[in-house]
Amino acid sequence: EAQVTQNPRYLITVTGKKLTVTCSQNMNHEYMSWYRQDPGLGLRQIYYSMNVEVTDKGDVPEGYKVSRKEKRNFPLILESPSPNQTSLYFCASRSSADTQYFGPGTRLTVL
Amino acid sequence: QKEVEQDPGPLSVPEGAIVSLNCTYSNSAFQYFMWYRQYSRKGPELLMYTYSSGNKEDGRFTAQVDKSSKYISLFIRDSQPSDSATYLCAMSPTNDYKLSFGAGTTVTVRA
Repeated sequence: EAQVTQNPRYLITVTGKKLTVTCSQNMNHEYMSWYRQDPGLGLRQIYYSMNVEVTDKGDVPEGYKVSRKEKRNFPLILESPSPNQTSLYFCASRSSADTQYFGPGTRLTVL
Repeated sequence: QKEVEQDPGPLSVPEGAIVSLNCTYSNSAFQYFMWYRQYSRKGPELLMYTYSSGNKEDGRFTAQVDKSSKYISLFIRDSQPSDSATYLCAMSPTNDYKLSFGAGTTVTVRA
């Protein structure tokens, strides 16, 4: 089954404690991205990757890092989380504009 | 001003009614237009995809694009309670990677 998986699904942490949200896809897609979803603001792109070792900033990259060492994995790293990073995060992958798959989401709370 | 504007609703309709959703945008370079459906606590899933102007029909769903007015619409005929979800419009200038999303409209279809 074609899918994008994210872990963890829910995470409560404290300010400043480094965390990583993993993302993996099994469709051999080149393009992967991370979004955050906030009420009234919709989906905003954080970072994207066109292929292995190729990453670039989206609309809201501050406070986040990513890496793309393998085609299937695209982890999101928060080196020093802050309360304003409390949000719902989605990983997505695709090979063309009409086949973007989203993961199930990670709900992050930073206290 | 946001690049993509979408009325967040909420929208509540009786079963069997026609649901009308729309988005406006400011970037005249947008060529690819999509509608995603997002059920509660799930990731968005692609519902409709259109290129340039015109109409596209898929079962009970019709997507319309009016590039001259920078306006796109999604119509749901014979709405069902299972159509209750948040609908997000998305668009892109090229068929490669970056999508710009609307904030999403929450729809409830009452049985």
